[in-house]
Amino acid sequence: EIVLTQSPGTLSLSPGERATLSCRASQSVSSSYLAWYQQKPGQAPRLLIYGASSRATGIPDRFSGSGSGTDFTLTISRLEPEDFAVYYCQQYGSSPPLFTFGPGTKVDIK
Amino acid sequence: EVQLVQSGAEVKKPGESLKISCKGSGYSFTSYWIGWVRQMPGKGLEWMGIIYPGDSDTRYSPSFQGQVTISADKSISTAYLQWSSLKASDTAMYYCARLEWELSGFDYWGQGTLVTVSS
Repeated sequence: EIVLTQSPGTLSLSPGERATLSCRASQSVSSSYLAWYQQKPGQAPRLLIYGASSRATGIPDRFSGSGSGTDFTLTISRLEPEDFAVYYCQQYGSSPPLFTFGPGTKVDIK
Repeated sequence: EVQLVQSGAEVKKPGESLKISCKGSGYSFTSYWIGWVRQMPGKGLEWMGIIYPGDSDTRYSPSFQGQVTISADKSISTAYLQWSSLKASDTAMYYCARLEWELSGFDYWGQGTLVTVSS
């Protein structure tokens, strides 16, 4: 089973700053199978990034994803007020469990 | 417009059974897998399982195998998650989501169903 670890647990930043979120896998993950989600309080998650670096439909270009192997990064170039939320990485693997989520990184206002 | 609409909040007692639903619209329901995701209070996301409504092929996370049953009725574009005997530890928000295999991710989500199990 592939375990995803996200760091930091909480990131305190101001609007306009750059956010860098890390997702590390216990085994190598195909870049095609790594996604990122945003979840705001009281809302369902929203797909941001798929295939490690492709933005989902309607996602602003201030969100970008990168990485390969076991280390992946979500970057928010300039934080907008609506970006303060929890972010989860997720991977798809060929063996059970097919999908796993990381524990999440909370981005809150400094 | 793709939509997944889930059934309303439930309050149940331990030992009771429950079936919650997720109705899809705006796309070919039989052509996409539907997944279920648990979120316990104040916690992260846990993948429970997926079903392909076209033929009811189902895959479970080992953590949830035998604990829940996932099913679908393609005639009414609805997927289900059910418990035969609820426990207090089943208290959580449950989301359904459409799996887009080409993205290896869940691209549309339901609004969530809050299940509270308390004596």
